[in-house]
Amino acid sequence: SAVISQKPSRDICQRGTSLTIQCQVDSQVTMMFWYRQQPGQSLTLIATANQGSEATYESGFVIDKFPISRPNLTFSTLTVSNMSPEDSSIYLCSVARSGTYEQYFGPGTRLTVT
Amino acid sequence: GESVGLHLPTLSVQEGDNSIINCAYSNSASDYFIWYKQESGKGPQFIIDIRSNMDKRQGQRVTVLLNKTVKHLSLQIAATQPGDSAVYFCAENSNTGNQFYFGTGTSLTVIP
Repeated sequence: SAVISQKPSRDICQRGTSLTIQCQVDSQVTMMFWYRQQPGQSLTLIATANQGSEATYESGFVIDKFPISRPNLTFSTLTVSNMSPEDSSIYLCSVARSGTYEQYFGPGTRLTVT
Repeated sequence: GESVGLHLPTLSVQEGDNSIINCAYSNSASDYFIWYKQESGKGPQFIIDIRSNMDKRQGQRVTVLLNKTVKHLSLQIAATQPGDSAVYFCAENSNTGNQFYFGTGTSLTVIP
């Protein structure tokens, strides 16, 4: 497995603002992903963060709303732009190493938009 | 993405009993599945996985069964303990990459 940390752990933001969430892994990993988990719901994949190229977004998610960076093999950021109360969720990053499908998750960032 | 769902949203069991959590998936081409446990305020924790070329895999106190004919997955927890209380998710691999799609989740409560 890998040790994954996220910052911030939680935040309360005003609508119309943006928040950048950081994900840091303690070792190099091939794949990094961002998920959203709305209160009492399951996890929904937002995008795959590709190192050195643009992220790959799932249906229903767009780069303008959720820009993602992946500058190296241990770090990624997800920005939630122009937030509305509907963006209130837990945002989770996960990682997987090359040659394995096993994914491990960070602790999540709990975002509340007022 | 694929549709992965669970039959029961909640499950209560007595401490020491066995628990069975079920999951249905829709993509017959999916080749890898993972069960996760999520405790309150934490990220999902990897429990056990299974590939589509297997129908059973055992871990410590947990067993995963895969029935590809009916596209059904189950997680069995033996001698359930209070620390097993959590939400359990099955996740299905997209078979085109490392993307996973999660089921609805089952909340397991262990009664002491």
